[in-house]
Amino acid sequence: GNSVTQMEGPVTLSEEAFLTINCTYTATGYPSLFWYVQYPGEGLQLLLKATKADDKGSNKGFEATYRKETTSFHLEKGSVQVSDSAVYFCALSDPNFGNEKLTFGTGTRLTIIP
Amino acid sequence: EAQVTQNPRYLITVTGKKLTVTCSQNMNHEYMSWYRQDPGLGLRQIYYSMNVEVTDKGDVPEGYKVSRKEKRNFPLILESPSPNQTSLYFCATGLAALRGNEQFFGPGTRLTVL
Repeated sequence: GNSVTQMEGPVTLSEEAFLTINCTYTATGYPSLFWYVQYPGEGLQLLLKATKADDKGSNKGFEATYRKETTSFHLEKGSVQVSDSAVYFCALSDPNFGNEKLTFGTGTRLTIIP
Repeated sequence: EAQVTQNPRYLITVTGKKLTVTCSQNMNHEYMSWYRQDPGLGLRQIYYSMNVEVTDKGDVPEGYKVSRKEKRNFPLILESPSPNQTSLYFCATGLAALRGNEQFFGPGTRLTVL
């Protein structure tokens, strides 16, 4: 079956540090890949996505590139802010079903210290 | 304002007492889904619906029921709750499940079953 493995947390960084959160996946075919973010007390919201190999998703200074050869979709940001403190989820959509079946990773809690 | 609403936001109940968690959306989305979020497990899909009167099981459907009688509403029913259903529940909606489409999440319902 499909699976998503992401970097264990929690991750604590100082403001303006470089961020990488690793995400690798297992799926047959070509899934779409997503990063969702969950701020404290809120539901998840889409941060960025990529639908085919070598696509780069970007939003709010975050980037991730769909790497088919390494089955990875690592999240990066060059300079984090306190407001980036949240839980980040990597997810994929089942290529046989479209987006109605999303598989999520376990989430990575990020805390940014001023 | 586009919204996904869930009620109640918090609920403490006892084993065996039937309960319903409501989900409503005003975006005219065809697709709706329920997830549960547990520490170390990420989000797991319970049930989803592609349109009115069309529902299907997700990864963890045991102990839950759903119905989709109207496009805007997708209630989650626990006929006989048990302590292992203590969790944080999220409703999500989206356009027809096309590749790469975003899902919009509600604010969550924290359920405790004693």
